[in-house]
Amino acid sequence: EPEVTQTPSHQVTQMGQEVILRCVPISNHLYFYWYRQILGQKVEFLVSFYNNEISEKSEIFDDQFSVERPDGSNFTLKIRSTKLEDSAMYFCASSAAGDGTQYFGPGTRLTVT
Amino acid sequence: AQSVTQPDIHITVSEGASLELRCNYSYGATPYLFWYVQSPGQGLQLLLKYFSGDTLVQGIKGFEAEFKRSQSSFNLRKPSVHWSDAAEYFCAVVLINDYKLSFGAGTTVTVRA
Repeated sequence: EPEVTQTPSHQVTQMGQEVILRCVPISNHLYFYWYRQILGQKVEFLVSFYNNEISEKSEIFDDQFSVERPDGSNFTLKIRSTKLEDSAMYFCASSAAGDGTQYFGPGTRLTVT
Repeated sequence: AQSVTQPDIHITVSEGASLELRCNYSYGATPYLFWYVQSPGQGLQLLLKYFSGDTLVQGIKGFEAEFKRSQSSFNLRKPSVHWSDAAEYFCAVVLINDYKLSFGAGTTVTVRA
């Protein structure tokens, strides 16, 4: 069964450093998303991406964040200058129809020290 | 304010007993409704979804959910739980034409032998 994959599973970085989280969505999906879950809190929407552009972003997704689909298979989330409060589990998701039926990857745990 | 509420933070159930997890939403229109499960160290797995039609929907792993418009609820049930059902369960909604998922806070289910 096709699945969303994410790398790395765990990333430790120092405050102020740039990180890139990588995702490989399900191959025939057209809608891509990033969510995050700070420990003990709700899963929060960050950004959605369709047709090679951002379709929606949340207030969390400020200028420090960017997304890219550099080729036909990868979908990346970049945090330009990490802060302590960026420590969270980051989930990538993809959807075929954009109807809300989203399939999630296993997540990348980002720890900022 | 728009919200998804899962009133129970933690539920403990005996193996073989029935399980019901509550979810209420507060939106102007009926959203699309989803239940996801997150096992320890795993990503979010879609259990079932409701868009329209029959208000009782069947999902994977023997779960079902019932949509009640009058109560703005979408409760998840399983007649007989297995130890492997121990996980965190999230209710989520999507507004039509706005495809980002909004999650409840989650309910942690512990299964005792």
